[in-house]
Amino acid sequence: DQQVKQNSPSLSVQEGRISILNCDYTNSMFDYFLWYKKYPAEGPTFLISISSIKDKNEDGRFTVFLNKSAKHLSLHIVPSQPGDSAVYFCAASARGNEKLTFGTGTRLTIIP
Amino acid sequence: KAGVTQTPRYLIKTRGQQVTLSCSPISGHRSVSWYQQTPGQGLQFLFEYFSETQRNKGNFPGRFSGRQFSNSRSEMNVSTLELGDSALYLCASSLVGRKGTINYEQYFGPGTRLTVT
Repeated sequence: DQQVKQNSPSLSVQEGRISILNCDYTNSMFDYFLWYKKYPAEGPTFLISISSIKDKNEDGRFTVFLNKSAKHLSLHIVPSQPGDSAVYFCAASARGNEKLTFGTGTRLTIIP
Repeated sequence: KAGVTQTPRYLIKTRGQQVTLSCSPISGHRSVSWYQQTPGQGLQFLFEYFSETQRNKGNFPGRFSGRQFSNSRSEMNVSTLELGDSALYLCASSLVGRKGTINYEQYFGPGTRLTVT
C-alpha cells in the first residue's frame, strides 16, 4: 500500500514559469512532510519541509503548501530554472517514528 | 563540513553471495537510516540506527541487516543475494534533538549501486 503518492511521473515546464509538484498521502498519522530533489548518480538533497501545524512554508524560490483536510501537499518553484530539472520526491513521517515514507518521485524537466 | 559518504559506490555480485555496504554520517549526526531505491518503487526504508541500536525497521526480509558503531558509522549487510536485490542503496544521517527526538531532515549520501547477476 503506497501511503505517499506522486501521481505525475513527469512534468515539463517552461523556464521562468511556475512548477507545481503534487503529493497525496493516506496515513493521517503523518505530521511532518519533506521534499527532496535528486540528480542522477547522486543521493537525494533536502529541499524544504513543513510541519502539520503549518499550511505553508517558504524558502526562496520554493514554497510548500499543506492541505491537511485533503491530505495533499504541493511544492511550488517560481521562477523555474534549468538547474531545477531533476526528480523530486515527497516524503512523510509520523510523530515518534523515525522512518521516512517516500513517494515514487516526479521527474521535472525545465525547458529553456 | 563533509557530507555523508558511502563505500563502495558500485558493486557487482552474483546470486547467493553476501555484501557489506558502509556509510559514514555527517560529523555530529548520530542517527543513520538506510533506504533501497529501485525503479518505480521510490525509496523504501530499510532500518534506522541510533547509539548503536536499531530503532526502526522496514518490511524487508531478515537477509537484510545492519549495525552501527560507536563513532556512528554504519554498515548494512545483505546475505544470500537475489537478482531482485539489485538497487541503489542510500544511507542518510540526521541530528537527534536533546530529548532523543529525531530531526527529520535527513541528509543522504550518493548511494551504492549494487548489481546482482
